[in-house]
Amino acid sequence: EDKVVQSPLSLVVHEGDTVTLNCSYEVTNFRSLLWYKQEKKAPTFLFMLTSSGIEKKSGRLSSILDKKELFSILNITATQTGDSAIYLCAVERRTGNQFYFGTGTSLTVIP
Amino acid sequence: EPEVTQTPSHQVTQMGQEVILRCVPISNHLYFYWYRQILGQKVEFLVSFYNNEISEKSEIFDDQFSVERPDGSNFTLKIRSTKLEDSAMYFCASSEGGGYASDTQYFGPGTRLTVL
Repeated sequence: EDKVVQSPLSLVVHEGDTVTLNCSYEVTNFRSLLWYKQEKKAPTFLFMLTSSGIEKKSGRLSSILDKKELFSILNITATQTGDSAIYLCAVERRTGNQFYFGTGTSLTVIP
Repeated sequence: EPEVTQTPSHQVTQMGQEVILRCVPISNHLYFYWYRQILGQKVEFLVSFYNNEISEKSEIFDDQFSVERPDGSNFTLKIRSTKLEDSAMYFCASSEGGGYASDTQYFGPGTRLTVL
């Protein structure tokens, strides 16, 4: 059964801390892994990863994929209160257009 | 910046009633998706749609669900006879590419469906 597992389920940090969010997957015919940030309603896209070992960066956020060990991490440095959200990992299968989401990591950044 | 829109933002209905959730994908996008998120649970894929037909659907997407692109802009999700457990946030998403060309999905703001 295809599945995506995220850890930790929740995390509380102070502003300025660095956090690492984990996503492991077991999905047949893997095509890509995506990270989303979900604040109040709809998820907003952060990164799409298709190749192992190539880090993607956007400001204080970065992510990398390991297709051999079947996981990805999302790093956030110098966290701010605006980073508080649920971070979702989703994996796309090569066959069809189906995406599997993890349960998300709830990040709370306190001042 | 182009965005996916959904209407209504909140729909309340009685059990057994039919509902239609509406989405307007980004105009040059070709692939459309519906997801749902039951309160406190993870986002679940329902269906993907391309070239006027369903390309993939999950086991959640049973006979009570249907999708349609009635004109050049709208993409709808119909639930024929709603059940209490259909209460959830329903997200529409669209992407420019799909299939062999994996592409980013852009989500709409969601419709919160409450079945009483």
